[in-house]
Amino acid sequence: QLQLQESGPGLVKPSETLSLTCTVSGGSIYSSDYYWGWIRQPPGKGLEWIGSIYYSGSTYYNPSLKSRVTISQDTSKNQFSLKLSSVTAADTAVYYCVRRIVVIVSTPTDIWGQGTLVTVSS
Amino acid sequence: DIQMTQSPSSLSASVGDRVTITCRASQFISNNLNWYQQKPGKAPKLLIYAASSLQSGVPSRFSGSGSGTDFTLTISSLQREDFTTYYCQQSYSLPRTFGQGTKLEIK
Repeated sequence: QLQLQESGPGLVKPSETLSLTCTVSGGSIYSSDYYWGWIRQPPGKGLEWIGSIYYSGSTYYNPSLKSRVTISQDTSKNQFSLKLSSVTAADTAVYYCVRRIVVIVSTPTDIWGQGTLVTVSS
Repeated sequence: DIQMTQSPSSLSASVGDRVTITCRASQFISNNLNWYQQKPGKAPKLLIYAASSLQSGVPSRFSGSGSGTDFTLTISSLQREDFTTYYCQQSYSLPRTFGQGTKLEIK
């Protein structure tokens, strides 16, 4: 059964770069059937789509974050990563790594990591 | 961006009730609509995809309908474990956007 696990610092200082890695087990990220991506949720608030990467390396970002976001993949390690630069307190959130299904018209997000809380504070 | 508006934002109901949550898109999204359930402290779980298709393993008391701009999630007979928060999400265009959530509470 495919599983996703986020890892990275739980505390980041303002103006620095948030870096998270998602390790995928039970399946390969090098598949044309899926997108791999990130969604975040500030404490007590709703869900925000950050962006996705396809096996080809194509990336798709939320325009509201695009200037600060980079999503990359390492197929040899079966991992993908998120970097968010110049963070502020507004970036404090639970960050989920996720899988989306390409072959279904609505490309639903069917698998989620457990989520990791990242707090931006000095 | 396509705005997704859920109503109501919160809803009180009893075990056994039939409830409906509505999601409205700010523009046409065909059937590119998914529903998720989120329990406190947990990641969301996919319930319905493509507006009306039930995800594998999800109880049949959950159903979805709609197309275009108006969609509904119906729970036919509420069970205790259903009292939590629900989100709709459009996948018609980037960025993918979610509704603000509907919190279902026990009356």
